[in-house]
Amino acid sequence: SQQGEEDPQALSIQEGENATMNCSYKTSINNLQWYRQNSGRGLVHLILIRSNEREKHSGRLRVTLDTSKKSSSLLITASRAADTASYFCATDERQGGKLIFGQGTELSVKP
Amino acid sequence: DTGVSQNPRHKITKRGQNVTFRCDPISEHNRLYWYRQTLGQGPEFLTYFQNEAQLEKSRLLSDRFSAERPKGSFSTLEIQRTEQGDSAMYLCASSLLVASEKLFFGSGTQLSVL
Repeated sequence: SQQGEEDPQALSIQEGENATMNCSYKTSINNLQWYRQNSGRGLVHLILIRSNEREKHSGRLRVTLDTSKKSSSLLITASRAADTASYFCATDERQGGKLIFGQGTELSVKP
Repeated sequence: DTGVSQNPRHKITKRGQNVTFRCDPISEHNRLYWYRQTLGQGPEFLTYFQNEAQLEKSRLLSDRFSAERPKGSFSTLEIQRTEQGDSAMYLCASSLLVASEKLFFGSGTQLSVL
């Protein structure tokens, strides 16, 4: 089963534009993470935001978390063609150790 | 390279055959996870270990699937009597013992059941 739902499912932008992806989840969490996956490869961790944090930055990435709405967003600024990949949010369950992934947003950045 | 290693990278098998995949996690990582991913979907949780103990197994996982981590190091995932619906990418990940810490993924094993 999947807890997170990403929106949009697919996003196509031009190089230099910003990309925003949203994630909604259902249960209380300890933290929310974002991962990136290039076609046919494993996932790579991008950023983790804890339930008591509202915003976090890492390079060109900005993540927000709204626990009252059970939602998060990932902003990639000044996108590059190399950012083309699928992006997944993942949440833990307060009582468990596993991560539950959403269905992902497929980002295409055109040069 | 001391990342998560998965073997084989690709496996083609006929329906009804058994297959086994191997995962070697990052050496100091106590937790090891197995996920399954089909095209266009996110990874689906299968099971995870803390050291050699299997702590949770997905209710969606049929009895044909079994995983082991005998000495708390590498892990194997076996699928018996494979079906076409088992075709997917099988991903292994590892993490430190802190709950909900970030996962390090291997490149996966792509299974095709003919």
